[in-house]
Amino acid sequence: DAGVTQSPTHLIKTRGQQVTLRCSPKSGHDTVSWYQQALGQGPQFIFQYYEEEERQRGNFPDRFSGHQYPNYSSELNVNALLLGDSALYLCASSLVVGNTGELFFGEGSRLTVL
Amino acid sequence: AQKVTQAQTEISVVEKEDVTLDCVYETRDTTYYLFWYKQPPSGELVFLIRRNSFDEQNEISGRYSWNFQKSTSSFNFTITASQVVDSAVYFCALRNAGNNRKLIWGLGTSLAVNP
Repeated sequence: DAGVTQSPTHLIKTRGQQVTLRCSPKSGHDTVSWYQQALGQGPQFIFQYYEEEERQRGNFPDRFSGHQYPNYSSELNVNALLLGDSALYLCASSLVVGNTGELFFGEGSRLTVL
Repeated sequence: AQKVTQAQTEISVVEKEDVTLDCVYETRDTTYYLFWYKQPPSGELVFLIRRNSFDEQNEISGRYSWNFQKSTSSFNFTITASQVVDSAVYFCALRNAGNNRKLIWGLGTSLAVNP
């Protein structure tokens, strides 16, 4: 049973560039959440996708956008990268129906912006 | 306001010692869920436990145990006879019942277990 998989694991970008991060949820899960984790900090909620729509959003600017596909996989896009966007980006999957909030996380994509 | 506080930033112990990680939370809701996650150096957050607000029974799982006390809004985590493999950052998190989507996280406690 495959867990949550994310790609790429590491990437380096320069300021102003755009980046796309990808996530495949755990088998059977229909909901994907994205979190940003800066070094030494706890994860910060970016947004969550269910049924291919953004259902809830944290306090992140519009430069952060996402998408969910019919197979439940998801992408996180960040435009006009800033140095402060350097972080570990974590994808978490869960089930909406009967879900008590347990999230399964991938290993993350570590983004460095130079 | 919802908030999770993990006052201990870093803890260092010697193998086989017992160690307790503290978690204090704030919420106005009467129904909520509390979680502990482990984050090893690989980065993946590993789910350890979920506790409902209406269930104050303490739980033990092997060397891990959790003490939930609503009176003090605390949900502490104890590792008995710690091992080097327990070295990781541990996060406490809160989710209110009406919100199926967002966890409020503490800043984490970095635990180093030395041989």
